[in-house]
Amino acid sequence: EAGVTQFPSHSVIEKGQTVTLRCDPISGHDNLYWYRRVMGKEIKFLLHFVKESKQDESGMPNNRFLAERTGGTYSTLKVQPAELEDSGVYFCASSRDSLSDEQFFGPGTRLTVL
Amino acid sequence: QKEVEQDPGPLSVPEGAIVSLNCTYSNSAFQYFMWYRQYSRKGPELLMYTYSSGNKEDGRFTAQVDKSSKYISLFIRDSQPSDSATYLCAMKRGNEKLTFGTGTRLTIIP
Repeated sequence: EAGVTQFPSHSVIEKGQTVTLRCDPISGHDNLYWYRRVMGKEIKFLLHFVKESKQDESGMPNNRFLAERTGGTYSTLKVQPAELEDSGVYFCASSRDSLSDEQFFGPGTRLTVL
Repeated sequence: QKEVEQDPGPLSVPEGAIVSLNCTYSNSAFQYFMWYRQYSRKGPELLMYTYSSGNKEDGRFTAQVDKSSKYISLFIRDSQPSDSATYLCAMKRGNEKLTFGTGTRLTIIP
């Protein structure tokens, strides 16, 4: 069974540019989560999809961030326009539709905004 | 105040020693408690998963949860150089988001 995959693994962009991160969850996992780790801080929740619906987006920092999950499969996270403070590692995780199921994490996308 | 507090370390111990890692939390609604291991440039990997209070053992790893004290621990016995990684505690309520500690960077010295 393939794990959670994320693309790209690393992205370097200029302030003001747009970047789109992609996450492919484990097949059959209805729940998809985005998290972010800023240097020196803990991993923080951004949002949670159940299939194609946003269940909780309380962690999204501002309206420069847009997440989508087309057809309940893969998800994209777009940052437009990027700011310096958006630099960090963006993780995606997925789980089955169960209260107790673990969240499996992808390897992360390291975003650097110059 | 952070919901989950974890000493970031770094922590260095000799091979074969017992390692003790800890987290405290403030939200009494948390029901599920996890320890993740993260190697450099990789995603977090689940090590231990505990529901409510009690102990859970898996090989060289033991997780303890004390909900009355809002305190969780991870013990690693007979530590190996391959255990060198960052260890993250995390917790959640139901099928909701994970709340993480900052992680403790552990090095096992051969």
